[in-house]
Amino acid sequence: DTGVSQDPRHKITKRGQNVTFRCDPISEHNRLYWYRQTLGQGPEFLTYFQNEAQLEKSRLLSDRFSAERPKGSFSTLEIQRTEQGDSAMYLCASSTHDREGNNSPLHFGNGTRLTVT
Amino acid sequence: AQSVAQPEDQVNVAEGNPLTVKCTYSVSGNPYLFWYVQYPNRGLQFLLKYITGDNLVKGSYGFEAEFNKSQTSFHLKKPSALVSDSALYFCAVRDGRDSSYKLIFGSGTRLLVRP
Repeated sequence: DTGVSQDPRHKITKRGQNVTFRCDPISEHNRLYWYRQTLGQGPEFLTYFQNEAQLEKSRLLSDRFSAERPKGSFSTLEIQRTEQGDSAMYLCASSTHDREGNNSPLHFGNGTRLTVT
Repeated sequence: AQSVAQPEDQVNVAEGNPLTVKCTYSVSGNPYLFWYVQYPNRGLQFLLKYITGDNLVKGSYGFEAEFNKSQTSFHLKKPSALVSDSALYFCAVRDGRDSSYKLIFGSGTRLLVRP
């Protein structure tokens, strides 16, 4: 168990550019979550997957944001036409959910810090 | 809608003294409550959770939290603080009826333990 891995750790981009982040969850975890954290705030839920299915999206996730988890393993979060307001830490978390309804706590990666100039 | 309030932006305590970090919540269904800790430029680390059962739950690094249903609170406590406990602490809640199992976080409380 190597934990949740996120890449890159830091990304600096110019306004209007597209960026993509990757998350590798803990291998046996079937649920994957994306959160956004701005300075001085707690993480805000963006979206989550169960296996490859994206089951919920927050209203924070504008049309410029898209997330995928094509094979139910790693996930990508893409932001198109970045804006300065997109500058934040993007956190990925994973958990496992069994048929009895038990869910492990969310395990977080170290995040990708995005700076839009 | 679910929400979490952490009324203190910062808590200061001397090493060796007890500490309390406050959290209150609002949720429609049964509350599932969590505490996480965050160190600089790192993700969140799970400390403890309350799902059901004893109101006092024990977690990692000597931390514990007490669930109080009537006051809708879930305060984090530790009998004797260490300098290394200095970090950002987040309380989170999940509605027991929410099948997404997503967590709603508070705004965080910075704990500063002075030597």
